[in-house]
Amino acid sequence: DTGVSQDPRHKITKRGQNVTFRCDPISEHNRLYWYRQTLGQGPEFLTYFQNEAQLEKSRLLSDRFSAERPKGSFSTLEIQRTEQGDSAMYLCASSPGQVSGKETQYFGPGTRLLVL
Amino acid sequence: AQTVTQSQPEMSVQEAETVTLSCTYDTSESDYYLFWYKQPPSRQMILVIRQEAYKQQNATENRFSVNFQKAAKSFSLKISDSQLGDAAMYFCAYRSPQGGSEKLVFGKGMKLTVNP
Repeated sequence: DTGVSQDPRHKITKRGQNVTFRCDPISEHNRLYWYRQTLGQGPEFLTYFQNEAQLEKSRLLSDRFSAERPKGSFSTLEIQRTEQGDSAMYLCASSPGQVSGKETQYFGPGTRLLVL
Repeated sequence: AQTVTQSQPEMSVQEAETVTLSCTYDTSESDYYLFWYKQPPSRQMILVIRQEAYKQQNATENRFSVNFQKAAKSFSLKISDSQLGDAAMYFCAYRSPQGGSEKLVFGKGMKLTVNP
């Protein structure tokens, strides 16, 4: 069990560019979550996958954001036409997916995005 | 919508002393799950303790225990025998019961400093 991994750990981009982040969940975890954390705030939910199906999306996930989990393993989060307000830590988490509610979500180290 | 409030942005404690972190939440659901997560500086978020709302008994995990007051919608974390490694951001989080949203709703967090 190597834990949740995220790549890259840091990304600096210019406004208007597209960026893509990758998350590798814990092996055999069916559920995968994306959160965004801005400075001084707690993480905010963006979206969640059960296997390859995207089952829940936050209104925070504007049309510039898209997430995929094509084979039910790793996931990507793409932000198109980045804006300075997108600067944040993007966190990925996974859970086994056997029992809802009380399952622990295991978090990755995050990808810190800075949009200049 | 559920909300989580952590009213104390920062606290400090002397090593070996006890400290209590407060959290209140708002929900119309009768069954739910509450969590405390710890986020050390530049490290990933890890689960400290979990409480199921239908359980009257307060959860404990070694030096960590909670005071869960369902009627008051209060969920405080007590850290006994504080250690330098306890220094971190602490986030209180809420999750709906099975069949509801899978997302965690976080408070803004509280920075705990442990003084030697």
